[in-house]
Amino acid sequence: AQSVTQPDIHITVSEGASLELRCNYSYGATPYLFWYVQSPGQGLQLLLKYFSGDTLVQGIKGFEAEFKRSQSSFNLRKPSVHWSDAAEYFCAVGVTGGFKTIFGAGTRLFVKA
Amino acid sequence: SAVISQKPSRDICQRGTSLTIQCQVDSQVTMMFWYRQQPGQSLTLIATANQGSEATYESGFVIDKFPISRPNLTFSTLTVSNMSPEDSSIYLCSGEDGIQFNEQFFGPGTRLTVL
Repeated sequence: AQSVTQPDIHITVSEGASLELRCNYSYGATPYLFWYVQSPGQGLQLLLKYFSGDTLVQGIKGFEAEFKRSQSSFNLRKPSVHWSDAAEYFCAVGVTGGFKTIFGAGTRLFVKA
Repeated sequence: SAVISQKPSRDICQRGTSLTIQCQVDSQVTMMFWYRQQPGQSLTLIATANQGSEATYESGFVIDKFPISRPNLTFSTLTVSNMSPEDSSIYLCSGEDGIQFNEQFFGPGTRLTVL
């Protein structure tokens, strides 16, 4: 069955430090992969997506993610975190044939001054 | 990208009553989805709503409890029926424009508290 695992429930980083949020997926075919961000009291906003091609994808707000098929991973990175990046981050995989998207449990990012 | 609005943004309801949540998209979308997000949890898909057909419900969700309408390509409603405190949650709708597969646009959510 398809699944998405985000092993870190929460992460705290200092402002200006680099960030990496982990995501592992289980899916039998080539996945469609997404990272979404949810600020408090808001809906989800798409940060970036991977469908095919270059395994390093760039997104909004300075985020990037790398698809590694051998590791079934799609980790999210940012070289320098800003206080406004504090939010909940969800990794997701798109399931072909049913147009469904399966979300990971989420990682809450805290940014300290 | 499509912009999605939801009404109400929040509500406090009494046990046993029903609440209808509206979801409006500013452009036509092929598929719309309703999710539940319980406090501190991830998103759980309730159902997929397509125009002109009955919604497709996920395991654990039934039409009698969560009736859904999809009268056109820009609008959908979700009703939470005969509510109990366990229904307290954030309800999110999303749309998929059919251009980029699986890429969904989300509404801001409806925060429901059942007393």
